Amino acid sequence: AQSVAQPEDQVNVAEGNPLTVKCTYSVSGNPYLFWYVQYPNRGLQFLLKYITGDNLVKGSYGFEAEFNKSQTSFHLKKPSALVSDSALYFCAVREPDSNSGYALNFGKGTSLLVTP
Amino acid sequence: ETGVTQTPRHLVMGMTNKKSLKCEQHLGHNAMYWYKQSAKKPLELMFVYNFKEQTENNSVPSRFSPECPNSSHLFLHLHTLQPEDSALYLCASSPLRGHEQYFGPGTRLTVT
Repeated sequence: AQSVAQPEDQVNVAEGNPLTVKCTYSVSGNPYLFWYVQYPNRGLQFLLKYITGDNLVKGSYGFEAEFNKSQTSFHLKKPSALVSDSALYFCAVREPDSNSGYALNFGKGTSLLVTP
Repeated sequence: ETGVTQTPRHLVMGMTNKKSLKCEQHLGHNAMYWYKQSAKKPLELMFVYNFKEQTENNSVPSRFSPECPNSSHLFLHLHTLQPEDSALYLCASSPLRGHEQYFGPGTRLTVT
């Protein structure tokens, strides 16, 4: 079975400071990993993904994430936070050969609040 | 916004009503999904369609009935819902397995 955990319900950071949103996963094989962002009253927007290759993945809006196989983590990072980054962030995982088809397994989300 | 549209954006319905949610994707994708998003809960996958064929039904009550007439359109027919069904219903699509999904803006459903 595949699962993903986001241990923090909320992350607070001051504008201009680096931010990290944590995600750990559990799959039986090599994972496909994703980060999405959701602004109020909107659908989820894709930020970045790890399929294979370089462990450091760069995505939209200056975000990046590092795949760490030994720690089974895929933390989302940004060097300098903006107030406009305040939103709900979801980590998702799926096993490439899963019998569950194409569906992703999402974490419960982490609310990021960036203060001026 | 993405190339996935959902209508209506907001819906209020009584427990005895019948209504339908519509999703349309303009991205040429082969797979479409329905998710339920409730407050303080992870996204719940409801249904998956691949090339118009339903490939997953995650133990969803029969009061939710999906329909996928073609690869671009997905419906969720609702009847005799319960107040606990009030949630944001999200549609998504993807090209192939392992690829990211693209989400619509959702339909905010309130059951009274």
